[in-house]
Amino acid sequence: GENVEQHPSTLSVQEGDSAVIKCTYSDSASNYFPWYKQELGKGPQLIIDIRSNVGEKKDQRIAVTLNKTAKHFSLHITETQPEDSAVYFCAPTGIGGSNYKLTFGKGTLLTVNP
Amino acid sequence: EAGVAQSPRYKIIEKRQSVAFWCNPISGHATLYWYQQILGQGPKLLIQFQNNGVVDDSQLPKDRFSAERLKGVDSTLKIQPAKLEDSAVYLCASSLVVGMGGDEQFFGPGTRLTVL
Repeated sequence: GENVEQHPSTLSVQEGDSAVIKCTYSDSASNYFPWYKQELGKGPQLIIDIRSNVGEKKDQRIAVTLNKTAKHFSLHITETQPEDSAVYFCAPTGIGGSNYKLTFGKGTLLTVNP
Repeated sequence: EAGVAQSPRYKIIEKRQSVAFWCNPISGHATLYWYQQILGQGPKLLIQFQNNGVVDDSQLPKDRFSAERLKGVDSTLKIQPAKLEDSAVYLCASSLVVGMGGDEQFFGPGTRLTVL
């Protein structure tokens, strides 16, 4: 099965700073790389995803970069705001393959201080 | 568009009792998932349905957990008898297309279960 590690486990930044969370995975067959955001008392919500034929994807203040050779991908949040405070999960998977199930990392608690 | 609905939101039971959770997915979504999220960890898939058939239940503790999805819409997850280690948030999610990866999963708010 897929082994997923996220770093750091906690991250505290000042409002306006950037935040970067890294996800390392083990299965070279993984080809879909989503990031989910979970706010307190809510279920996870997809915020951005990338597929293996793309190295980087950006959506306003958030971006995801992928290094398939090294088997890691990262979430980048710029100009952080207090509402970005949440737990972020990566969940690398293989579309249509044997590991198509989402395998979530343990999460990164991001705190944005006003 | 209404999201994934779950009930109850909270449940406290004694060990060895039984409990059931209910999920109503987004209308038209073919695939439904149940996840278990233990405090401080990411969600772990318990069972995946496509319409009313089971696609994957390899991580479901079948000696005590059961789930069904009647008529390919609503679903219930049952635990009987509950153990202390079942204390967790149980999340239901749904996705529009066949769940073979790569499609967005929409999660409900979850049911927080405490087993005493």
